[in-house]
Amino acid sequence: KAGVTQTPRYLIKTRGQQVTLSCSPISGHRSVSWYQQTPGQGLQFLFEYFSETQRNKGNFPGRFSGRQFSNSRSEMNVSTLELGDSALYLCASSTGLAGFTDTQYFGPGTRLTVL
Amino acid sequence: GNSVTQMEGPVTLSEEAFLTINCTYTATGYPSLFWYVQYPGEGLQLLLKATKADDKGSNKGFEATYRKETTSFHLEKGSVQVSDSAVYFCALPLPYYSGGYQKVTFGTGTKLQVIP
Repeated sequence: KAGVTQTPRYLIKTRGQQVTLSCSPISGHRSVSWYQQTPGQGLQFLFEYFSETQRNKGNFPGRFSGRQFSNSRSEMNVSTLELGDSALYLCASSTGLAGFTDTQYFGPGTRLTVL
Repeated sequence: GNSVTQMEGPVTLSEEAFLTINCTYTATGYPSLFWYVQYPGEGLQLLLKATKADDKGSNKGFEATYRKETTSFHLEKGSVQVSDSAVYFCALPLPYYSGGYQKVTFGTGTKLQVIP
């Protein structure tokens, strides 16, 4: 079974721009979660999508948004980029049928650098 | 609120040494507990999990026992290898109904370096 894939792997943007990251989950998985990883804050949960609906949400500003398509692929968008948005963005997929007791499978991440 | 506390790193060990990485949690009820590992340049991989008290998760020589009485889930390995060098995260997921918005809490991560 193919694993979770994320594109692009690396991105460089400037302040004020917006960015879209993509995640393709494992075949058959309906839940996609997004995390931000930084040296200072560690791993923080952004949001989770299940069957095209945002089911769970972390404590991030509205500049961070996402969506999920009917094939379970998900995109995350960050608008009006700030320097502090520089991070590794990780996507994880699971069956989504047992909340977060599901096993989550992570992608390799997208490294975003904001200049 | 629910939280997880993980020992600070980095931890440097010689090959074949015994490893312990401490993790304690504060939670309502008895959540599942997870250990994830992140190798350099990669995403997180599930290492092991335990879904109820007294469960022992194990994988690749690593073990962790869910201890309700001490609210701990320490990671152990009897003989580490250079290939075990990575960052290890303890994770505490919460039930969907907790606080309306569900959160997944990760420990700060413990970097392990194993030297030959």
